[in-house]
Amino acid sequence: GQQLNQSPQSMFIQEGEDVSMNCTSSSIFNTWLWYKQDPGEGPVLLIALYKAGELTSNGRLTAQFGITRKDSFLNISASIPSDVGIYFCAGLQDSGNTGKLIFGQGTTLQVKP
Amino acid sequence: DAGITQSPRHKVTETGTPVTLRCHQTENHRYMYWYRQDPGHGLRLIHYSYGVKDTDKGEVSDGYSVSRSKTEDFLLTLESATSSQTSVYFCAISLTGDSTDTQYFGPGTRLTVL
Repeated sequence: GQQLNQSPQSMFIQEGEDVSMNCTSSSIFNTWLWYKQDPGEGPVLLIALYKAGELTSNGRLTAQFGITRKDSFLNISASIPSDVGIYFCAGLQDSGNTGKLIFGQGTTLQVKP
Repeated sequence: DAGITQSPRHKVTETGTPVTLRCHQTENHRYMYWYRQDPGHGLRLIHYSYGVKDTDKGEVSDGYSVSRSKTEDFLLTLESATSSQTSVYFCAISLTGDSTDTQYFGPGTRLTVL
């Protein structure tokens, strides 16, 4: 099946540092989504990107939809302890309005106070 | 919070037994999805529904069946559970299912098959 390659797999950073993670694919996607998952919870949507080249911010989070439509990145500025969790990218292709999301493997973020 | 609940939240069962997981939504969204989450694989789509009695297979549908008899409920059934189906199962909903829509996830069900 299709895959999204998400990197890095894990990060251990100091509070206050900036974080960057990305997703790449061999396929084109029409929508890129970034989710965060806290332990024992379902993923929660952080940012949605709908146009190639689009750069969108949500507080300290910034994400971009790659111009080739095959990649996306997420940046977190000035990390804080509550940023800890697993971050997933997900791509959505138009396929008869079925909304089939393809997920990356996730980036586990740990923040040291 | 999107109005999505899953039941049970935890279940331990034995190989060969049938298991049914329930997803319930109060949002009246047309699309509902079942995913499984395993380490190193992210979330993978099992089955989805695009309306009452309308369902289709996802990426990892073998060994699973689904039913949707009313808008608010989407059931996932393991006819004969196997150890490889030990996983965390998430339900998701979306309003239109197209590429400008987003999916909202439930809290998950942790299933252990011994």
